[in-house]
Amino acid sequence: SQELEQSPQSLIVQEGKNLTINCTSSKTLYGLYWYKQKYGEGLIFLMMLQKGGEEKSHEKITAKLDEKKQQSSLHITASQPSHAGIYLCGADSPTSGTYKYIFGTGTRLKVLA
Amino acid sequence: NAGVTQTPKFQVLKTGQSMTLQCAQDMNHNSMYWYRQDPGMGLRLIYYSASEGTTDKGEVPNGYNVSRLNKREFSLRLESAAPSQTSVYFCASSGPPPDYGYTFGSGTRLTVV
Repeated sequence: SQELEQSPQSLIVQEGKNLTINCTSSKTLYGLYWYKQKYGEGLIFLMMLQKGGEEKSHEKITAKLDEKKQQSSLHITASQPSHAGIYLCGADSPTSGTYKYIFGTGTRLKVLA
Repeated sequence: NAGVTQTPKFQVLKTGQSMTLQCAQDMNHNSMYWYRQDPGMGLRLIYYSASEGTTDKGEVPNGYNVSRLNKREFSLRLESAAPSQTSVYFCASSGPPPDYGYTFGSGTRLTVV
């Protein structure tokens, strides 16, 4: 079955620093999603990547999908305390008959003011 | 088996009709969520309930109402369905930290004609 592994598991950075979170799949990704989560508030959809080499940006967050479509990275430029939370990558898991959706292991980000 | 149960699995509505999607979890989770999944958009949060007795709007709450009936049940109501609400709806629940893992229901495929 397809698995998504994220690294690092947790990250503490000083405000203003750049950081990168990685998401690696055991199989080719056909739709890779990035989410941000704060406890109890649900997932907030950030971006979706589908094509090899694709890159998308939203405000200070940039996500990329590699050419082989097995690894994605999320880069935050000049981090702020508002960026703190848990970042999850997600993917459609091709399973016949029943819709399945899988998530990565999550990266906990703390930004020190 | 422990998990999240959603009903119905499929539904076709005419524009203007109303309906309620039911969701129940038996994992004693405090937090419950309703998402919609549209092509190319990832999961988008409609409403969430951090604990029994509380509900809050997510990213796309317009046209929906929710009720956290008790700790187990969280329903989503469409008062006057519109074609733009054609989507796949997922209910989810999550436990307290440090376990942020989500458990999803199997989804409801809703078509509004």
